[in-house]
Amino acid sequence: ETGVTQSPTHLIKTRGQQVTLRCSSQSGHNTVSWYQQALGQGPQFIFQYYREEENGRGNFPPRFSGLQFPNYSSELNVNALELDDSALYLCASSLELTGPGNTIYFGEGSWLTVV
Amino acid sequence: AQKITQTQPGMFVQEKEAVTLDCTYDTSDPSYGLFWYKQPSSGEMIFLIYQGSYDQQNATEGRYSLNFQKARKSANLVISASQLGDSAMYFCAMRLWETGANNLFFGTGTRLTVIP
Repeated sequence: ETGVTQSPTHLIKTRGQQVTLRCSSQSGHNTVSWYQQALGQGPQFIFQYYREEENGRGNFPPRFSGLQFPNYSSELNVNALELDDSALYLCASSLELTGPGNTIYFGEGSWLTVV
Repeated sequence: AQKITQTQPGMFVQEKEAVTLDCTYDTSDPSYGLFWYKQPSSGEMIFLIYQGSYDQQNATEGRYSLNFQKARKSANLVISASQLGDSAMYFCAMRLWETGANNLFFGTGTRLTVIP
C-alpha cells in the first residue's frame, strides 16, 4: 500500500470525448506527477504539479491538462480523445523536491480504453 | 538525451535462485538517481530500490540489491532467493537533478517469470 489512490480503475470512452482521472496523493506529499503507459511500454511522463502549479511537462499536447487542489489531490483531463490515448494512466506522489533520490510512489492506475 | 535501456524482454528463474535484471543508462548530468520498480498485472508500480549517482556503496533492500557500475553506466537489479510472487514486470528508471521535476525516464521493462 503506497497511500496513492486513483479513480476510476477502468473506463471506456468514445473517440472525441473528454475524460477526467483523479488521484489522491500519499499523506504529506505535495508533489503529484502523471504518467501514461501504453501497452508493452514503460511509463511516459505527462506533467507534474507542485503546490497547485504545473512544474514540468513531458512531450504531450495541450489537450492533456491537469489540476492540483489545496489538499494536494490532482486531476488529469484529456480532451478530444484519440484511439492512441488508450493506456494505463499512473499517478505518482512525492515530498517536496529534495533531490534526485526523492522516492516517488505510484498508485494502481486508471485503465482507459478509447473506442 | 537521457535514455534507459533494458535489453531483456523476458527472463526465467527457478524458485529460490538468484536473478540479475540488466539496466544501462545514458545521461550527461552528473547528478541523478536510479530506481527499480516492480509492476504486477494489477498495474501498480511498486518501488523496490534506489541508487544515487554519488552513493559510494551499492544499495540493498532485503532480497534486492543494485549492482551500480558508474563508469559503465549500468544499474543492474539482483533479486536473491526468488519467490513465485516475484513474477512481474520490472522497470528501471532514472531521475535527473537538473530537471527540477519528478520526471522519471523509464526503460521498456523486463518480464520476470519464477518457475516452481
